[in-house]
Amino acid sequence: KAGVTQTPRYLIKTRGQQVTLSCSPISGHRSVSWYQQTPGQGLQFLFEYFSETQRNKGNFPGRFSGRQFSNSRSEMNVSTLELGDSALYLCASSLAWGSGTEAFFGQGTRLTVV
Amino acid sequence: GESVGLHLPTLSVQEGDNSIINCAYSNSASDYFIWYKQESGKGPQFIIDIRSNMDKRQGQRVTVLLNKTVKHLSLQIAATQPGDSAVYFCAHVSNAGGTSYGKLTFGQGTILTVHP
Repeated sequence: KAGVTQTPRYLIKTRGQQVTLSCSPISGHRSVSWYQQTPGQGLQFLFEYFSETQRNKGNFPGRFSGRQFSNSRSEMNVSTLELGDSALYLCASSLAWGSGTEAFFGQGTRLTVV
Repeated sequence: GESVGLHLPTLSVQEGDNSIINCAYSNSASDYFIWYKQESGKGPQFIIDIRSNMDKRQGQRVTVLLNKTVKHLSLQIAATQPGDSAVYFCAHVSNAGGTSYGKLTFGQGTILTVHP
């Protein structure tokens, strides 16, 4: 079966712009989590959605937001982009949320802010 | 001030050797632990997991050991191959309440290089 699909794979944006990234989870998976990966900070949790509701979130500013649709697809949005937002954004899907469920990652979206 | 990147631990081994990658965690509320492998240009790939009620779990060529007393996790790879070269992350899931529940927290990663 198809894995986690993230689009686009690469993006270049200018400071101050906003960006929307998309994630399609594995069929049947209802939980989608988002992570930011940078050389300086490693992998950091952004937020998790399950059944169209945000279930938990990390320590990121309000410029980072997300949503989940009824088909479990998720989008994340970053407004007023800063140079420091340049990173690999990873999406992971799992059957359910919470402890004990295996998460599968997509290949990520590489965002470059110039 | 100037930002400093993470200095990832590195492990270099010869093909055929066994590899041991270590990870320490601090959250006593963690009850589920996972090892991921990340190759260049790809997302993390699940390798093996273990729950806190176990201290050892084996997969194909991999074994995970969990020592809850000292909050230490290790990944052992038997007969390491060049294709095992990647960055390896441990991650744990908190079972604490509130908005931390179910959140995956990753370690900094270890770079494994396997020489033919």
